[in-house]
Amino acid sequence: AQKITQTQPGMFVQEKEAVTLDCTYDTSDQSYGLFWYKQPSSGEMIFLIYQGSYDEQNATEGRYSLNFQKARKSANLVISASQLGDSAMYFCAMREGVNGDSSYKLIFGSGTRLLVRP
Amino acid sequence: EPEVTQTPSHQVTQMGQEVILRCVPISNHLYFYWYRQILGQKVEFLVSFYNNEISEKSEIFDDQFSVERPDGSNFTLKIRSTKLEDSAMYFCASSSAATRTGELFFGEGSRLTVL
Repeated sequence: AQKITQTQPGMFVQEKEAVTLDCTYDTSDQSYGLFWYKQPSSGEMIFLIYQGSYDEQNATEGRYSLNFQKARKSANLVISASQLGDSAMYFCAMREGVNGDSSYKLIFGSGTRLLVRP
Repeated sequence: EPEVTQTPSHQVTQMGQEVILRCVPISNHLYFYWYRQILGQKVEFLVSFYNNEISEKSEIFDDQFSVERPDGSNFTLKIRSTKLEDSAMYFCASSSAATRTGELFFGEGSRLTVL
């Protein structure tokens, strides 16, 4: 079974509008972390935002916010006021077993390619 | 700002040849990783390394792969006998358990092309 599912292979958004990128996850752990990374065409992986499973409030970082719905196991990324530079691949990722783990590896979804139209 | 550096940025090799990809993680990080991304596809976990030993590896990380931390700064991935399907972007990453989020910091990647 997929641990991280991103059902939108591609998305378009008009510049200055908001867009939501979907992510659902599957874990039986009580303690886990959810991440979003941006990969522009240059290829590097850029960390955007983090949500811990015990965090009561949705994470926000500037124009990025994470709509965390624990019961639904979803962690959607919301980008407000889209800019042309937001055009990139976006990956949702999860880290399980946060406590006492000697491997803090992330498992990634298949990604969503976002294109911002001028 | 500290960053993860990887060399080479691009390597072309013949099938069956050995390849070593090098990484310098962020200096105070303790956890190191290699990931692979075949063109346009998902980022796949290969191996994690902590306290001078492999802490976890995926089914992709078979006997053809090995990792080493030969000194206090470098972290290498060796592919002993490359296959065509090893062509991919290889990302090194490091993380610190000291931060709340423990996010992985990625290098810019090494593109491996096997002919």
